[in-house]
Amino acid sequence: NAGVMQNPRHLVRRRGQEARLRCSPMKGHSHVYWYRQLPEEGLKFMVYLQKENIIDESGMPKERFSAEFPKEGPSILRIQQVVRGDSAAYFCASSRNGRGQETQYFGPGTRLLVL
Amino acid sequence: KNEVEQSPQNLTAQEGEFITINCSYSVGISALHWLQQHPGGGIVSLFMLSSGKKKHGRLIATINIQEKHSSLHITASHPRDSAVYICAVRSGDTDKLIFGTGTRLQVFP
Repeated sequence: NAGVMQNPRHLVRRRGQEARLRCSPMKGHSHVYWYRQLPEEGLKFMVYLQKENIIDESGMPKERFSAEFPKEGPSILRIQQVVRGDSAAYFCASSRNGRGQETQYFGPGTRLLVL
Repeated sequence: KNEVEQSPQNLTAQEGEFITINCSYSVGISALHWLQQHPGGGIVSLFMLSSGKKKHGRLIATINIQEKHSSLHITASHPRDSAVYICAVRSGDTDKLIFGTGTRLQVFP
């Protein structure tokens, strides 16, 4: 049973380009969470999605960032017109159900570097 | 003040020592997680607990709901335990995790 998969593992973009980060949850998991870890800072919640629905996007920056989790395929975190401050590690986690006592399983992360 | 506070921020130990990392939180929670992150690496979930105590190998996690406090203990520490240990709580009324800033542990041989 493969774990949570994220790709790419490393992504380099120039300012103004778009970054697309993918997350495939564990088999049987329909809940996906995205977290961001800025350099030398702790992890911060960004968005929580269930298949085809955004449940909680309270941690998402108001502009340039969007997320989706379509019926088929991976969850996508999209950052438009990237800036240097977007450089960070982006982690995805998944759980089977979105209930309070479900373990979240983390992916290996995507390290984004904006030049 | 952060909703989740960890102490100490940095910790060094000699191989074989008993280690304790503390986590205090100020919000109502449905569960608390202990996570491990190696440098440049991914995040591994060590424990999820909502009451009492859990043990896995040399790792023990405890939680006191009334005092809003949890501890992670490592017995007979080993250099491979060197990592950042992160406490995270699941807020009682949402499903998102709120993270502490982590404790960086280095165990020397």
